[in-house]
Amino acid sequence: DIQMTQSPSSLSASVGDRVTITCRASQRISNYLNWYQQKPGTAPKVLIYTASSLQSGVPSRFSGSGSGTDFTLTISSLQPEDFATYYCQQTYTTPWSFGQGTKLEIK
Amino acid sequence: QVQLQESGPGLVKPSETLSLTCSVSGGSISTYYWTWIRQSPGKGLEWIGYIYYSGSTNYNPSLKSRVTISLDTSKNHFSLKLGSVTAADTAVYYCAAVLAGYCSGGACYRGIDYWGQGTLVTVSS
Repeated sequence: DIQMTQSPSSLSASVGDRVTITCRASQRISNYLNWYQQKPGTAPKVLIYTASSLQSGVPSRFSGSGSGTDFTLTISSLQPEDFATYYCQQTYTTPWSFGQGTKLEIK
Repeated sequence: QVQLQESGPGLVKPSETLSLTCSVSGGSISTYYWTWIRQSPGKGLEWIGYIYYSGSTNYNPSLKSRVTISLDTSKNHFSLKLGSVTAADTAVYYCAAVLAGYCSGGACYRGIDYWGQGTLVTVSS
């Protein structure tokens, strides 16, 4: 199985900050990497698919990059509604697997 | 726009079978991989498996011996059965949909576009 490791596990930041979250796969997954945002009591919502493609309706301040084993999610200027938990997920091969999550909190 | 809604018991006794149904509206049954995912504090997000309209299934090996996912095209719903449950199966269970056209077998170029709201299932006597 492919293990997905995110860092950091939690992060404190302020509105307007630029934030980067990283995700590492235990083996090469090409660009079959997705990013999700989850707010308490709701289902995850896809932000980025195929490592760098922005899901329709997602603000352009979100961006993704990477290929192979190392990936990043960047939020260029944090907005109040961005404070949430973020997950990466590989869909390169089954069993599909998720990172453990990065909780983004207000400083 | 696909809409998904889970239903089923919120409490299941240990050793019994967990059964959930996901009602689908707004989408063609043949267009998606119909998927189950669960989320628990201890194990995070865990993919359980999916079914395609052809009837083909793909399960997480860690659960494969206990899981069955089925599809009822006449009723526009799909179901999850998980047998011999223990407290470790306590989780929020989500049904979800992945566009099959972006997939080749188990490799999908898109993430999970649609999710149900999730339903908490507790395993306890």
